[in-house]
Amino acid sequence: EADIYQTPRYLVIGTGKKITLECSQTMGHDKMYWYQQDPGMELHLIHYSYGVNSTEKGDLSSESTVSRIRTEHFPLTLESARPSHTSQYLCASTGTGGTGELFFGEGSRLTVL
Amino acid sequence: SQQGEEDPQALSIQEGENATMNCSYKTSINNLQWYRQNSGRGLVHLILIRSNEREKHSGRLRVTLDTSKKSSSLLITASRAADTASYFCATDPSGGYQKVTFGTGTKLQVIP
Repeated sequence: EADIYQTPRYLVIGTGKKITLECSQTMGHDKMYWYQQDPGMELHLIHYSYGVNSTEKGDLSSESTVSRIRTEHFPLTLESARPSHTSQYLCASTGTGGTGELFFGEGSRLTVL
Repeated sequence: SQQGEEDPQALSIQEGENATMNCSYKTSINNLQWYRQNSGRGLVHLILIRSNEREKHSGRLRVTLDTSKKSSSLLITASRAADTASYFCATDPSGGYQKVTFGTGTKLQVIP
């Protein structure tokens, strides 16, 4: 059982609202990731972090931002949500020197009206 | 663009049959991983194969890796209805930074 948690699981909001998707893990992993998954199921890496105060943009350009102030916490923020941001957002983590396996949260499904 | 491409995109088989999914990737890798995703849920790790390995087994799963062709396959033997899910390959590229990227996925339906 993976100890990585995402909230909220589902969020429906109006255009222009600011939202934060939370991701926390209790495994002490240094590496954390955000993926965006389209309805057609392809996953795209949008942000990653190798440790506290380290964040990088992924392969898919995203208007979202992330922060990594604590090892266990990797929140994703959208300052002004738009319908094009409607998607499933998946958070994952892994530890240095481990098996390389990624542990995923259950995902946050965002709908912007 | 995505690192991995998988085929088929969708596969429907009868319970008890074997299911084979293929993955191709573009760059040198440290390892390749396969994940499973039930509808609307997060991904679950199935098996990891390192770049110096050619074949690996785990229960009813068999994974092969051909680094010269930059391809991998996942075989699920004696499939069950509970295997119905989407399956993704993921690559950890060489370079030591573990920036894992995923393929396009195969949607498997096992008919009871």
